[in-house]
Amino acid sequence: EAGVTQFPSHSVIEKGQTVTLRCDPISGHDNLYWYRRVMGKEIKFLLHFVKESKQDESGMPNNRFLAERTGGTYSTLKVQPAELEDSGVYFCASNQGDRDTIYFGEGSWLTVV
Amino acid sequence: GENVEQHPSTLSVQEGDSAVIKCTYSDSASNYFPWYKQELGKRPQLIIDIRSNVGEKKDQRIAVTLNKTAKHFSLHITETQPEDSAVYFCAASSSNFGNEKLTFGTGTRLTIIP
Repeated sequence: EAGVTQFPSHSVIEKGQTVTLRCDPISGHDNLYWYRRVMGKEIKFLLHFVKESKQDESGMPNNRFLAERTGGTYSTLKVQPAELEDSGVYFCASNQGDRDTIYFGEGSWLTVV
Repeated sequence: GENVEQHPSTLSVQEGDSAVIKCTYSDSASNYFPWYKQELGKRPQLIIDIRSNVGEKKDQRIAVTLNKTAKHFSLHITETQPEDSAVYFCAASSSNFGNEKLTFGTGTRLTIIP
């Protein structure tokens, strides 16, 4: 069974540019989560999709971040315009339902210079 | 909201000895406590979890204990091996109809000294 896959694995962009991260959850998983780890700090929740609907976006830092999950399959997270403090590792995770293990992707490393 | 604190931030242990990592949480509604292991450049992987209806769970060399009254839980690794070297994250969640929104600790970098 394929795991959670994320693309790109690494991205270096200049301040002010736009980056779009993609996540393909495990097939059949309705729940999809985005998390972020800024250097040396904890992994922080950004938002949660149930199928195509945003269940909880309380962790989104500001309106420069836009997440979508059209069709309830893969998800994208767009940062526009990127700022230096957006640098970090963006993790996607998925699970099927209540009480199910959450599986993480390998993360997308974003560096804003 | 939930706040999870994790200690220590770094831990070095002689191979064969035991390692203990401790976490505390603030939200008494939290009822799910997973532990993730992240090797360098790899994805966080679940190694063990515990729900609030039990006090201890063991899987081979790994065990987790939970004290709901004190709001803390701990990871115990016995007979440590070099491949146990990694960053370990604890997390807490108040599972509600499938919304396993996890609040993570800051991580513990465990180094096993051969």
